[in-house]
Amino acid sequence: EPEVTQTPSHQVTQMGQEVILRCVPISNHLYFYWYRQILGQKVEFLVSFYNNEISEKSEIFDDQFSVERPDGSNFTLKIRSTKLEDSAMYFCASSTGVNSYNEQFFGPGTRLTVL
Amino acid sequence: AQKITQTQPGMFVQEKEAVTLDCTYDTSDQSYGLFWYKQPSSGEMIFLIYQGSYDEQNATEGRYSLNFQKARKSANLVISASQLGDSAMYFCAMSTTGANNLFFGTGTRLTVIP
Repeated sequence: EPEVTQTPSHQVTQMGQEVILRCVPISNHLYFYWYRQILGQKVEFLVSFYNNEISEKSEIFDDQFSVERPDGSNFTLKIRSTKLEDSAMYFCASSTGVNSYNEQFFGPGTRLTVL
Repeated sequence: AQKITQTQPGMFVQEKEAVTLDCTYDTSDQSYGLFWYKQPSSGEMIFLIYQGSYDEQNATEGRYSLNFQKARKSANLVISASQLGDSAMYFCAMSTTGANNLFFGTGTRLTVIP
C-alpha cells in the first residue's frame, strides 16, 4: 500500500540553525500539507501546497518557514532560523483532492528538537 | 471559523468492552468531513474513519463506528470490543470544502485495561 514517507525521523539542531524536513508524498496525490504537533498538544495546520505554490497557510507559518517541491517526488519544509518553540513533531500529509471528503494520508512524522 | 472540541482528556475501558469518545464540532459550512485518527505512542497518525456531512448513514469500519448527530453537531467514535492495542491518543478532525486543511481537536487518551 502506498504511503507518505518522511526523513529524518528525528532531527536535533541548535537554536538559530536552518533545518530542512523532507517528505515524499504518495505518487498520484496532488495536494500536500505540513502540520505540527507540540508535545502533548493537538495537531496544528501549517501550510498546504498545490500546483507548485502555497494554497493556504496558517498564522504559525511565518517568514521563517518555507516549502518547496524541488523535484517530482520530494516536498520539503525549511525553517530558516530555528527557535526553541519550534521543537515539535512535524507531519507531512498528502491527498488526491481538496474536497471535504478527501482523506489526508499522514507520514510518520519528524521529531524536531531545538536546543 | 471551524472548531473541534473533545472534552475527555482521558478515558479508561476494560478489554473487550465498548467505549465512546466524544467529539463536537462547529462550522458554518454546509459541506464538511469529519475524521478520526489514532496516534499510538510511536507518534504516527493513523486514519480510522470518515463521515461526510451529507452522509445519511453512520460510517463504520470494522470495530470503529461513528455516531453522527448532525443537529447536535457531534461525531462520536465508538470502538467495540476494545483491545489492548487500542490504547492510544484519538483525535477528531474536520475539513471543509474550500478550506483544504484539517482542524484537530485536543485529543482523548484511551487506556484499555486488561
